[in-house]
Amino acid sequence: ETGVTQSPTHLIKTRGQQVTLRCSSQSGHNTVSWYQQALGQGPQFIFQYYREEENGRGNFPPRFSGLQFPNYSSELNVNALELDDSALYLCASSWPGQAAYEQYFGPGTRLTVT
Amino acid sequence: KNEVEQSPQNLTAQEGEFITINCSYSVGISALHWLQQHPGGGIVSLFMLSSGKKKHGRLIATINIQEKHSSLHITASHPRDSAVYICAVRLKGGSTLGRLYFGRGTQLTVWP
Repeated sequence: ETGVTQSPTHLIKTRGQQVTLRCSSQSGHNTVSWYQQALGQGPQFIFQYYREEENGRGNFPPRFSGLQFPNYSSELNVNALELDDSALYLCASSWPGQAAYEQYFGPGTRLTVT
Repeated sequence: KNEVEQSPQNLTAQEGEFITINCSYSVGISALHWLQQHPGGGIVSLFMLSSGKKKHGRLIATINIQEKHSSLHITASHPRDSAVYICAVRLKGGSTLGRLYFGRGTQLTVWP
């Protein structure tokens, strides 16, 4: 186990609704990255937070937003859900002080939009 | 075009066989990761490489920086090795701390 936890494990939402996914980083890690993994695809980078500030964003629209808290836990918010948002959402925590930024992944949240 | 390409997409083997999964990338990288994903989704890091070769138990990972190619080998494969194996790279000089670019993964099934 990596020590990174995510909640909830599974979630079903309706198109147009909003969702919040949560991630608790490994102890001491101040950087969290969020990824979206559609079925049969590799994960795609959504954004990263470092010391509570967004530090890079992938090709995702503004309705994907995030927060990182002082204890380095993190949230991913998605507004106006679309069917294509159905995917596994992964968070990964890391500590830039580590050599080569080893990332530790959580178990993921599987979101289904109907 | 994806920065990271893996082959094969699917691989079936008999228990005990030697397995090779390949990864090619088209950009300058500072590190390459091999990851394992089991049904249910959780991802475990197997190796992080920037040069040469690493070995852990029955798993061996190699990288050729000049050819922009890496391989993951599994010796004496076992049904418990059945999983999706994903190659991911970290770009050289990237401003985002450790952002990874992923291949699509190789689904490995090992039969007893």
